[in-house]
Amino acid sequence: QKEVEQDPGPLSVPEGAIVSLNCTYSNSAFQYFMWYRQYSRKGPELLMYTYSSGNKEDGRFTAQVDKSSKYISLFIRDSQPSDSATYLCAILSGGYNKLIFGAGTRLAVHP
Amino acid sequence: GEEVAQTPKHLVRGEGQKAKLYCAPIKGHSYVFWYQQVLKNEFKFLISFQNENVFDETGMPKERFSAKCLPNSPCSLEIQATKLEDSAVYFCASSQSGAEAFFGQGTRLTVV
Repeated sequence: QKEVEQDPGPLSVPEGAIVSLNCTYSNSAFQYFMWYRQYSRKGPELLMYTYSSGNKEDGRFTAQVDKSSKYISLFIRDSQPSDSATYLCAILSGGYNKLIFGAGTRLAVHP
Repeated sequence: GEEVAQTPKHLVRGEGQKAKLYCAPIKGHSYVFWYQQVLKNEFKFLISFQNENVFDETGMPKERFSAKCLPNSPCSLEIQATKLEDSAVYFCASSQSGAEAFFGQGTRLTVV
């Protein structure tokens, strides 16, 4: 079993839709959870990070962590064509020695 | 600098040749991570450093890969005797705390 599972998609939505991206993880000791956005042929860009459980909001983006079910989510409101990218969840390992990535979900927002 | 700088952007090597990649972390960041991204977007962890000390090298194929982060120099990742399967994009990231990690734009290595 992988430590972090993420559905690779692709996910295709119309402009203006609410997008929900999700990951599950296996180790209940994980505390730091990140979401990255990666455009084609570019490096991952850190969107948000959350410590422990709860929600964090930044503009149209909301990150949510549910430690009881080991489930993390990223919601994108009013999605735009410029949001078309691959979204990667990442978790900092317990020893802070590495980030463990999900497979990435490819998102396409069409006008 | 304010961003992670990776050089070169592209590197082509014949099978069996050496490849050396460089990464300048963000000033003040003490953690450096190297990742390999192959075709299907999977990020494979290679090695991490805390300052110049190896923090975790569990992902490194040690027989051909080596890495260093020396004071006042860019970090480096070296592959001796490259193989076709080493073709990938290699990303470096740096972090101040270990949590928020910022990535460079990557070096695309093509082994022919």
